[in-house]
Parts: sequence; structure tokens; C-alpha cells
Amino acid sequence: QKEVEQDPGPLSVPEGAIVSLNCTYSNSAFQYFMWYRQYSRKGPELLMYTYSSGNKEDGRFTAQVDKSSKYISLFIRDSQPSDSATYLCAMSSSGGYQKVTFGTGTKLQVIP
Amino acid sequence: GAVVSQHPSWVICKSGTSVKIECRSLDFQATTMFWYRQFPKQSLMLMATSNEGSKATYEQGVEKDKFLINHASLTLSTLTVTSAHPEDSSFYICSAAPTSGGKDTQYFGPGTRLTVL
Repeated sequence: QKEVEQDPGPLSVPEGAIVSLNCTYSNSAFQYFMWYRQYSRKGPELLMYTYSSGNKEDGRFTAQVDKSSKYISLFIRDSQPSDSATYLCAMSSSGGYQKVTFGTGTKLQVIP
Repeated sequence: GAVVSQHPSWVICKSGTSVKIECRSLDFQATTMFWYRQFPKQSLMLMATSNEGSKATYEQGVEKDKFLINHASLTLSTLTVTSAHPEDSSFYICSAAPTSGGKDTQYFGPGTRLTVL
């Protein structure tokens, strides 16, 4: 079993839809949770960073962490074609500066 | 701010040759840099953690004699793929963790696509 599981998609949605992206994990030591966006042939870009359980909102993006279920989510409201990318969840037991374990990524396509 | 560059962005080499990839933090100092490899439709796999002035720590299964890492300064780390073979063809991405200040995160470079013929 992988430490982090993420549906690879692809996920296609119409412009303006709410997108839900999810990851599950097995390592209970993970406390730091991140979402990265990666465009084709580019390096990942940090979108959201959360410590422990709870919600965090930043513009159209909301990250949720449920440590009891070992489940994290990223919601994108009013999705735009420019949101089309691969979204990677990532987790660490000791902070974003340290070793981070990535999910496989979900490819999202927002159709105009 | 927090820009990480990689050079070259893509490289094609013959089997058996060595290739060096540079990773630079342009506007911050990074005590720690990380090297990842990403195969098509797969996630980033950490290869090694590089600390300035000390030997790199390699992940299980990564050959340290094949993937030489040097972190000679707080803004530069290099990865040398020695005696490259076609199975080494991949997308190599580095990241850098700021020495001080900034968010608790790594900043990623744009990646280097290596093709070994």
C-alpha cells in the first residue's frame, strides 16, 4: 500500500464548476499537508499549506484535513480554464522544509 | 521572490556519458535542497536530500555512485548522472528550502528533462 493515494483522473469539468480533489494516506505521523499545482513540463507550485486538522481558505481554494479519517481535500470554486493542471497532494511529518511524500497527482481539465 | 532555477531545462545524451544538472536558488539561501525524479504519469519520487557542506542523504534504492550530488554553496546544488542509460531518462526536479524566513515549504525548480539515447 502506498503511503499516499490519489486518484490520477483525468477529471474534466465545465468552467465555473466546483472541483473536489482528494487524497488518503496511511502514515499517522503526517501532520503537515500541502497541495501543489503542476503545469505540464514545469515544477510544482505550492497552492495550500495546512498544519494538522481543519480548513483553510485562500481565494477560490479551500483545503480540508481530517486526520481521524486520514483524508485531505482541495476544493476549487468557480473553476477556470487556467486551473487546468495536475494537482499533487503532499504530506510531511516534520514540516514543509523536510522530506515530503507526494501523491501521484490528479490531472484536471476545465473546459470553457 | 523564492525563485529556483535549473539548468539545462532539457538535455539529450548518449548512453554511457555523464550529465550534470544545476539547481540554483536565485533570491534566497538554501541550506537544504532536494532532488526528485518524476516519470510520466507518476508522482515525484525523492532521490536525495542535499545539505550545504555535507554529504547528501540518499533514499533507499537510489545509487549514490550513479547520482552524484554536490551542494557546495547556499545557492547551488548539482546532480550528476554518471554513465547514463536509457532507463535514467526522466524529469528531474530540484527544490530548495529557505535557510530563514519565508513559508515552511520547499520551492521547486522548473525541472530538467533528460533523454538518454
